[in-house]
Amino acid sequence: GAVVSQHPSRVICKSGTSVKIECRSLDFQATTMFWYRQFPKQSLMLMATSNEGSKATYEQGVEKDKFLINHASLTLSTLTVTSAHPEDSSFYICSARDQGLAYNEQFFGPGTRLTVL
Amino acid sequence: SQQGEEDPQALSIQEGENATMNCSYKTSINNLQWYRQNSGRGLVHLILIRSNEREKHSGRLRVTLDTSKKSSSLLITASRAADTASYFCATFNSGTYKYIFGTGTRLKVLA
Repeated sequence: GAVVSQHPSRVICKSGTSVKIECRSLDFQATTMFWYRQFPKQSLMLMATSNEGSKATYEQGVEKDKFLINHASLTLSTLTVTSAHPEDSSFYICSARDQGLAYNEQFFGPGTRLTVL
Repeated sequence: SQQGEEDPQALSIQEGENATMNCSYKTSINNLQWYRQNSGRGLVHLILIRSNEREKHSGRLRVTLDTSKKSSSLLITASRAADTASYFCATFNSGTYKYIFGTGTRLKVLA
């Protein structure tokens, strides 16, 4: 089955530093990946759509200069939280779309918990 | 709001009882997925149901989809304490090609 991995699974950083989160599709090619954020006891909110070889598209209210997305290959997208602050502490989840499947099925990674001190 | 609606928001039942959660959405979909999330953990994929399917089973799970009513339900039969978690539906919007999550149902199964 399709597997999406994320690294790291958990990261703690100091305020003002930048953190990079990787999302990989392990056994399929994904021209499109998605990044979600989840605050405690809330649902997942879509942040941005990552397109291989082109700029990401961001949802309304998401700062593109703060959340840098790079989708350099068909199996890897990265999310960099720049100058992180405590309010950025959240659970970040990526998903990847399997272009080979008729219904554009999408598979989710296990998530990365970011804590900014 | 980009989110679908799920109800109930919270559900507390005794072990052995059945639990039913409902998901309503607003736009046309290609497929709908149900996920479980234990507290503080990642998503666990449960079932994917396509728009041309009406019902799907997986072990103790039964999912129905009514595209005319834009709704889906997840039934967990003979619940166990280990089923305690939050359950989310995610709909694939065929217009925007994005998955949108519902608000979630927090299920608590009492032993």
